[in-house]
Amino acid sequence: EVHLVESGGGLVQPGGSLRVSCAAAGFTFSDYWLTWVRQAPGKGLEWVASIKGDGSDKYYVDSVKGRFTISRDNAKNSLFLQMSSLRVEDTAVYYCTKHLLGATSHWGQGTLVTVSS
Amino acid sequence: QSVLTQPPSASGAPGQRVTISCSGSSSNIGNYNVTWFQQLPGTAPKLLLHSNNQRPSGVPDRFSGSKSGPSASLAISGLQSEDEADYYCAAWIASLQAVVFGGGTKLTVL
Repeated sequence: EVHLVESGGGLVQPGGSLRVSCAAAGFTFSDYWLTWVRQAPGKGLEWVASIKGDGSDKYYVDSVKGRFTISRDNAKNSLFLQMSSLRVEDTAVYYCTKHLLGATSHWGQGTLVTVSS
Repeated sequence: QSVLTQPPSASGAPGQRVTISCSGSSSNIGNYNVTWFQQLPGTAPKLLLHSNNQRPSGVPDRFSGSKSGPSASLAISGLQSEDEADYYCAAWIASLQAVVFGGGTKLTVL
């Protein structure tokens, strides 16, 4: 059974940094694209970033380019999102997803990141 | 304003059939597959349909999808109270090098 467990969320001041993580189990980690999707309170879903199985390709939504970095450690079955220069509008639940648009798509339960002074 | 447009709300009585649209343009979903997600209140989204109309195991056949040109639709037949949720369409748009989500549709079962 696939398990995705996010961690690392919390309260951070505007301009600060935070790293959220996702621990994965139940599938061959390095075979899959992984993606971060976020959802601001009471709002819809927003794609944030995706990374290829071997880490060689990465894509970002324009609003986080230059501020966020997606990475993975295939030896530890872990996905990361390093967030810097955080803004109030980055406040959201951040979901880790496997094979987002595919037949075996799976989501974690999410971790809340709050950017506030 | 999302690249993919969904109605903000939809509703139907138990047993009825409802459809939710996801409209794009020929330059985006016209050439790409659409995925649908269901988000029950207070929970993470889950996959409902992929490749426009393919149901993963465990999804009832009451849920179906279609796509014609730049528009896709999700149909739910035999509506049940547990179908009350938010529904999102999504697609990878190569020209944008991005995944785009529709704005979401809140389905109310009357």
